[in-house]
Amino acid sequence: SQQGEEDPQALSIQEGENATMNCSYKTSINNLQWYRQNSGRGLVHLILIRSNEREKHSGRLRVTLDTSKKSSSLLITASRAADTASYFCATDRGSNYKLTFGKGTLLTVNP
Amino acid sequence: DVKVTQSSRYLVKRTGEKVFLECVQDMDHENMFWYRQDPGLGLRLIYFSYDVKMKEKGDIPEGYSVSREKKERFSLILESASTNQTSMYLCASIRQPNTGELFFGEGSRLTVL
Repeated sequence: SQQGEEDPQALSIQEGENATMNCSYKTSINNLQWYRQNSGRGLVHLILIRSNEREKHSGRLRVTLDTSKKSSSLLITASRAADTASYFCATDRGSNYKLTFGKGTLLTVNP
Repeated sequence: DVKVTQSSRYLVKRTGEKVFLECVQDMDHENMFWYRQDPGLGLRLIYFSYDVKMKEKGDIPEGYSVSREKKERFSLILESASTNQTSMYLCASIRQPNTGELFFGEGSRLTVL
């Protein structure tokens, strides 16, 4: 069963612009994570936000979490062509190690 | 550098063949996972293992089995491959107690003809 759903499915922007991706989920979580996947490669962990946190930063990444709305957003500031990838949110199912992934947002950053 | 290694990046097999996908991690992680990834469906959990010789079914275990004889190695087995098992297969591992972060391999793209 899909827990997280990303929105939009695809996003195309110019270098230097900010990119915002959203994730909605259905049931209570302990934490929510964002992963990145370059075409044809494995996923790479970007950031984890716990259910008692509202915002977290890592470099050019900013993640917010609204547990009342069961939603999260990932903001990439000052995007670069190298940020072109698919981005997935993942939620735990309460077990702390079994994650459910959304279908992803394909981000294209045009030089 | 931590690593999850999947032995084959690309495989082409015929319907009915037995297929082994191997995954090795060098991080001494207790938990290992097999996901499949398909366009429009995202990642779906096939099986996971929380210890040597221990396994649990994920969301789509039908047509698959797994083996975990050593802590570092987790194998996915397709007993009789079918065309609907053509997919990208991703192995991952995580430490328990954990920080929540999954470490993924590079993936194995399987085509069943």
